[in-house]
Amino acid sequence: AQSVSQHNHHVILSEAASLELGCNYSYGGTVNLFWYVQYPGQHLQLLLKYFSGDPLVKGIKGFEAEFIKSKFSFNLRKPSVQWSDTAEYFCAVKGITGGGNKLTFGTGTQLKVEL
Amino acid sequence: GAGVSQSPSNKVTEKGKDVELRCDPISGHTALYWYRQSLGQGLEFLIYFQGNSAPDKSGLPSDRFSAERTGGSVSTLTIQRTQQEDSAVYLCASSSGLRTEQFFGPGTRLTVL
Repeated sequence: AQSVSQHNHHVILSEAASLELGCNYSYGGTVNLFWYVQYPGQHLQLLLKYFSGDPLVKGIKGFEAEFIKSKFSFNLRKPSVQWSDTAEYFCAVKGITGGGNKLTFGTGTQLKVEL
Repeated sequence: GAGVSQSPSNKVTEKGKDVELRCDPISGHTALYWYRQSLGQGLEFLIYFQGNSAPDKSGLPSDRFSAERTGGSVSTLTIQRTQQEDSAVYLCASSSGLRTEQFFGPGTRLTVL
């Protein structure tokens, strides 16, 4: 079975601070990895994804994530956050070999960016 | 074109009643998924349809939950004899294939009184 752990449940930052949200997964085979974001009052949107190739992936709005296979991690980063980044962030994994096509989500990280 | 749409956006029902939630996937997407988002449980997979293959029902929490997808497009999630613990936001997603991302709809907020 696949599982995802997000260690930070609530994060509060000031504008222009750097962001790193942790994500670790558990799965014994090949995976696809995702970060989704849910802005207040809006539905889930894809921030970025990793399928294969370069482990450093760039997404929308200046976000990036690095897949470190040896650490089973896919941490999300942004060098300088903005107030508009206030949202809930979800890491998700899809097991390719025998995992079906379902996404398994972490419990989410609520990010609040203060002016 | 348009994204994934779901109806109703909100549904309030009494315990013991049946409810039907509808999902219209993105046109041309062959895969359709249902998830549930609830306090304390996070986002949970419920069921997945891919083309004409048998659906993956492994996430359905009980036999009160069922779903169908007619004509490879619209899907209906049915919850029979609703219980208060069924209160949640039910999300639908679709994708164009197995190795593509899933696009989510706005969800249906279900409240069981």
